[in-house]
Amino acid sequence: AQKITQTQPGMFVQEKEAVTLDCTYDTSDPSYGLFWYKQPSSGEMIFLIYQGSYDQQNATEGRYSLNFQKARKSANLVISASQLGDSAMYFCAVHISPMRGRDLGGKLIFGQGTELSVKP
Amino acid sequence: NAGVTQTPKFQVLKTGQSMTLQCAQDMNHEYMSWYRQDPGMGLRLIHYSVGAGITDQGEVPNGYNVSRSTTEDFPLRLLSAAPSQTSVYFCASSPPPTRGRSYEQYFGPGTRLTVT
Repeated sequence: AQKITQTQPGMFVQEKEAVTLDCTYDTSDPSYGLFWYKQPSSGEMIFLIYQGSYDQQNATEGRYSLNFQKARKSANLVISASQLGDSAMYFCAVHISPMRGRDLGGKLIFGQGTELSVKP
Repeated sequence: NAGVTQTPKFQVLKTGQSMTLQCAQDMNHEYMSWYRQDPGMGLRLIHYSVGAGITDQGEVPNGYNVSRSTTEDFPLRLLSAAPSQTSVYFCASSPPPTRGRSYEQYFGPGTRLTVT
């Protein structure tokens, strides 16, 4: 079974500083995708960044980058130059790609989330 | 495109009542899923579908039914509401993976359900 672990229930960061949110995953499937979503207090789920298990380079999307360490099964999110609007819950999730006729559909396994607070 | 839409936004039910949460997407996505989010937790998969006519159970399927008669719609039915089903429900859709690459799931705005 797949599992995602986010060990930081809450984090504080000073505005304009960088912050790393931890995520480790557990899967024996060779092909998978890792996602980070942001959930502000308004409740919607906002896609931030994606990393494929076969991608050689770490993914980047603007101020977001993913520190992917495959051997350690780690996919930490780095937010550079934090802004007040970054205050939100952040969820790491894994998607297992179909193989050998087994299609798990859009199944995402989510971690418990990390609540990030950005201080002015 | 409207993306993924969910109705209603809020709902209060009494124990034992039934209802259907509606979900629709206009992106022609094959994959659709229902999740629930309880306070302080991540999302947990209830049911999912890989295409019209094909559904399967997720992690927490008990007390819920789904059907997928069209690509666009994926309603979630609560058969006999219980207080334990008080939660926020999210519907999501995505294209299927290609060449080992997964695609982001597009989430609806959520339905906040309270069962008294």
